Amino acid sequence: EPEVTQTPSHQVTQMGQEVILRCVPISNHLYFYWYRQILGQKVEFLVSFYNNEISEKSEIFDDQFSVERPDGSNFTLKIRSTKLEDSAMYFCASSSPGLAEPQFFGPGTRLTVL
Amino acid sequence: DQQVKQNSPSLSVQEGRISILNCDYTNSMFDYFLWYKKYPAEGPTFLISISSIKDKNEDGRFTVFLNKSAKHLSLHIVPSQPGDSAVYFCAASPPDSGYALNFGKGTSLLVTP
Repeated sequence: EPEVTQTPSHQVTQMGQEVILRCVPISNHLYFYWYRQILGQKVEFLVSFYNNEISEKSEIFDDQFSVERPDGSNFTLKIRSTKLEDSAMYFCASSSPGLAEPQFFGPGTRLTVL
Repeated sequence: DQQVKQNSPSLSVQEGRISILNCDYTNSMFDYFLWYKKYPAEGPTFLISISSIKDKNEDGRFTVFLNKSAKHLSLHIVPSQPGDSAVYFCAASPPDSGYALNFGKGTSLLVTP
């Protein structure tokens, strides 16, 4: 069964450093998403991406964040200058185009900012 | 601003009985509702969904009911099994792809033998 994969599973970084989180969405999906979950809180939407453009983004997704689809399979989330409060699980998801299509999530990357 | 609410943080049910997880939403723009199951240190796993044109959707042991007038949905698991023990998240969005899923805070289900 096709699935979303994410690397690395755990990333530790120093405050102020740049990190890139990587995702391989399900191959025939055209919509891609990033979410995060801070420990003890709910899953929060960051950004959605379609046709090489951001479709929607939340207030969390400020100028420190960017997304890219560098090739036909990968989808990345970059945080330019990490802060302590960026520590969270980051989930990538993908979906087919159309009405009532569920989003399928990857296993997540745990980001720890020291 | 919590647009999707799961007011029960936890639920304990005996194996073989019915588990009922509840969810309320406030945004009338939401037309598509999903339930996800999540184990610790894993991503949310899609379980079942329903669009607002229906009031019930069934898939094996899982049934989702939608009451649009009350802005309420519920997930029924019958019969409950110990492997169902996980955190269950309700999520809602407009119907088209590309929109954010708005998640509830989750309900931790424990199914005891």
